[in-house]
Formats: sequence, C-alpha cells, structure tokens
Amino acid sequence: ETGVTQTPRHLVMGMTNKKSLKCEQHLGHNAMYWYKQSAKKPLELMFVYSLEERVENNSVPSRFSPECPNSSHLFLHLHTLQPEDSALYLCASSHSGRARDTQYFGPGTRLTVL
Amino acid sequence: SQQGEEDPQALSIQEGENATMNCSYKTSINNLQWYRQNSGRGLVHLILIRSNEREKHSGRLRVTLDTSKKSSSLLITASRAADTASYFCATVPLRNTGKLIFGQGTTLQVKP
Repeated sequence: ETGVTQTPRHLVMGMTNKKSLKCEQHLGHNAMYWYKQSAKKPLELMFVYSLEERVENNSVPSRFSPECPNSSHLFLHLHTLQPEDSALYLCASSHSGRARDTQYFGPGTRLTVL
Repeated sequence: SQQGEEDPQALSIQEGENATMNCSYKTSINNLQWYRQNSGRGLVHLILIRSNEREKHSGRLRVTLDTSKKSSSLLITASRAADTASYFCATVPLRNTGKLIFGQGTTLQVKP
C-alpha cells in the first residue's frame, strides 16, 4: 500500500451519466495529481494541485472537472464523457510538488464509457 | 512531444538473468525517475537520479544517466518472476518543477 487510495476501482458509465472519482492520501502531502493511462499511450498528466490550488491544467477537456477541497482529498468529476475517455485514471501525491519529490500513486480507477 | 521513450517495448527473460531497459529523452532535465507498474495497478516509485549523478543503486536495481546522450538505463540483476511488470521512466524537465513526463514503458516478463 502506498498511502493513496482511490474509489471506485472500477466504473462503467454511459455517455450521459455524471460520476465522480475520489482520491485520498494519508501521507501528509501537499500536492496531488490526476493522470490518465490509455492503452498504447504514455501516462498523461491531467491536473496538478498544490496546497489546494490548481497549478497545472494540461489542456484537458471541460467534461473533466477536478476538485481539491483539502490537501488530503482530490476528486475528478465526469460528465458527458466519450468512449475514448475509457482508461485507467491514476491519482498521485507528493510532498510539495517540487522536482525532487517522489510521487506516490494510488491503484487507479478503471473507467469504461459505453 | 514525448519526453521519455523506453527501449525495448517488451522484454522476456528467464529467472536469474539480468534485465536492461533504456530510456531516451529530448530536453534538459532536473531528474529522471523509474517506476514500476504491475498489471492494471498504480505505479510504484523505484529510484530517482538527479541530473548531476551518473549512477545509482538500490538493492538489485542499478540506474545510469548520461546527460550528454540524454539517456538512462535500468538494470535489474538476478531477476525473479515477481519482477514481471511494466517499467516506466519519467523525466522532470528543467523548467517545469514537479511535472513528470512518462515514456510508454517496457513490459518485462520473467519466466520461472
């Protein structure tokens, strides 16, 4: 266990549904990240939060909406997704978001959009 | 453009053999990190090497970094079946602190 948990682990949703992914870290870190891992593609950074402020938005479509209510929790709200959004969504955290930090990853949420 | 690219894409070896994976990148870096991912699960950090370091060891892992060639290698010695996983290099570009850019990974299979 890395100290980063994600729920749900698996999610199947239709294109008109609204759902949310949850991430929680128990490491006392101040930075949290969302990544998307699609088949045959490198891990893509989606969002970075540092001290609850979004510091990076990697040109992600607006149908993905992140929320960071405190430094321990990170959400990814999903609405009107497309089948190509099916992927493994990984959350990570690090001490401060600086270059020398190690990122600790959760187990991921496997998302399937029908 | 993609920063880290691993080579080979897939590697199959017998238990006890050594496994070497290579990573190349394009821009100057602050550091380079290697991660491991078991099938369908999250990534686990293995080792971080800074741009001013040339070699680093951790248990059966040995990482080298050649900034002149913009390349790194990960060597796993005396491999075990439990080492079967995907291995990714990730770079932190010099001007983007904290942002990891991943390659596509090398899938390693260690046969018992």
